[in-house]
Amino acid sequence: EDQVTQSPEALRLQEGESSSLNCSYTVSGLRGLFWYRQDPGKGPEFLFTLYSAGEEKEKERLKATLTKKESFLHITAPKPEDSATYLCAVGVQAGTALIFGKGTTLSVSS
Amino acid sequence: DAGVTQSPTHLIKTRGQQVTLRCSPKSGHDTVSWYQQALGQGPQFIFQYYEEEERQRGNFPDRFSGHQFPNYSSELNVNALLLGDSALYLCASAWGSGAGNTIYFGEGSWLTVV
Repeated sequence: EDQVTQSPEALRLQEGESSSLNCSYTVSGLRGLFWYRQDPGKGPEFLFTLYSAGEEKEKERLKATLTKKESFLHITAPKPEDSATYLCAVGVQAGTALIFGKGTTLSVSS
Repeated sequence: DAGVTQSPTHLIKTRGQQVTLRCSPKSGHDTVSWYQQALGQGPQFIFQYYEEEERQRGNFPDRFSGHQFPNYSSELNVNALLLGDSALYLCASAWGSGAGNTIYFGEGSWLTVV
């Protein structure tokens, strides 16, 4: 069964304290791995799409990487405005739906 | 460039009633998917529409139905509402129906069933 697991469930950081969020997946044919940011009461906001192992993408303080079993979202020198829930999802060969993890809720305090 | 728009943003319904949610895709997109997100959970796929046909369906009962119009906009209908249907309903759009295509979400419609 296709599955996506995110860890940790919650992460508290001090402003400037870098860290990484993990997304591990077990799927039958990965077509793409997606990262989204979701603020409370809002829809998910697209961040990155990764397609193959070894691929990396960056946007401001965020960097996403992909291996054959997992993806990491690295947050460098976070600011309070980076506080949100970060969702990981995969597109699989068998269909067109995205399978989401439960998300990691990040809180950054000043 | 308008993103994905959904209406209404919030609504309250009584058990047993029916509800219709509406979605306009991002400009240039032709594929619409609907997701249900319960509190503290990731979005769960309901179904996808492409070329006015339901292309794939998640593990949701027949009470959930949809439609896509020629202008690519879409509706989600839920009949015989249950308390457990209370959730954030998200519409997402993409260009093409491939599994590797990036999808963009709207702000969602909050449904409360009492």
